[in-house]
Amino acid sequence: EIVLTQSPATLSLSPGERATLSCRASQSVSSYLAWYQQKPGQAPRLLIYDASNRATGIPARFSGSGSGTDFTLTISSLEPEDFAVYYCQQRSNWPRGTFGQGTKLEIK
Amino acid sequence: QVQLVQSGAEVKKPGSSVKVSCKASGGTFSSYAISWVRQAPGQGLEWMGRIIPILGIANYAQKFQGRVTITADKSTSTAYMELSSLRSEDTAVYYCARDGGVVPAASPRQENWFDPWGQGTLVTVSS
Repeated sequence: EIVLTQSPATLSLSPGERATLSCRASQSVSSYLAWYQQKPGQAPRLLIYDASNRATGIPARFSGSGSGTDFTLTISSLEPEDFAVYYCQQRSNWPRGTFGQGTKLEIK
Repeated sequence: QVQLVQSGAEVKKPGSSVKVSCKASGGTFSSYAISWVRQAPGQGLEWMGRIIPILGIANYAQKFQGRVTITADKSTSTAYMELSSLRSEDTAVYYCARDGGVVPAASPRQENWFDPWGQGTLVTVSS
């Protein structure tokens, strides 16, 4: 089973700062990786798919990169609404879709 | 634009079963899969399984094999997730989400991922 490890567990930053979130896979998942954002009391929302493609309606400040085992979600300049929990998900063993444990992005 | 609306919160006794529904509107229900994901209080996301309504074929995560049954009714554009032999650890919010097809479409394709999601259904297991 492929395990996704996200780091850090919690990231404390201020609005306007740049956020860098990491997701590492226990074995290569090629580019079959997505990022989701979840706010309290809400369902997750797809942000990035296939490692680097923004989903429909997602602002340009969100970007994804990486392939193989190491992936990064970058938020170029944090807006107040960006503080949430972020999950990565891999689907290299289709149709299974395992998730990382999440990174909480909190206001400093 | 597909929208997914789930059934309401449930309170169940240990050892019983729960059946959660997920009704789709917009789009073509049968042509894509519906996946189910759960989230225990304060915890992360866990994929449980999925179904492709047009084929009636379901796939399950190993952890839930034998305890979960996912079905779909094409006539009402509704998917169902039934979890049996409930225990306290099954207390969670259960989400449905639109998923891809039998095999992934040539990448990059947004349709291969979980989007959109239902609003979630809280299932509480308590004696």
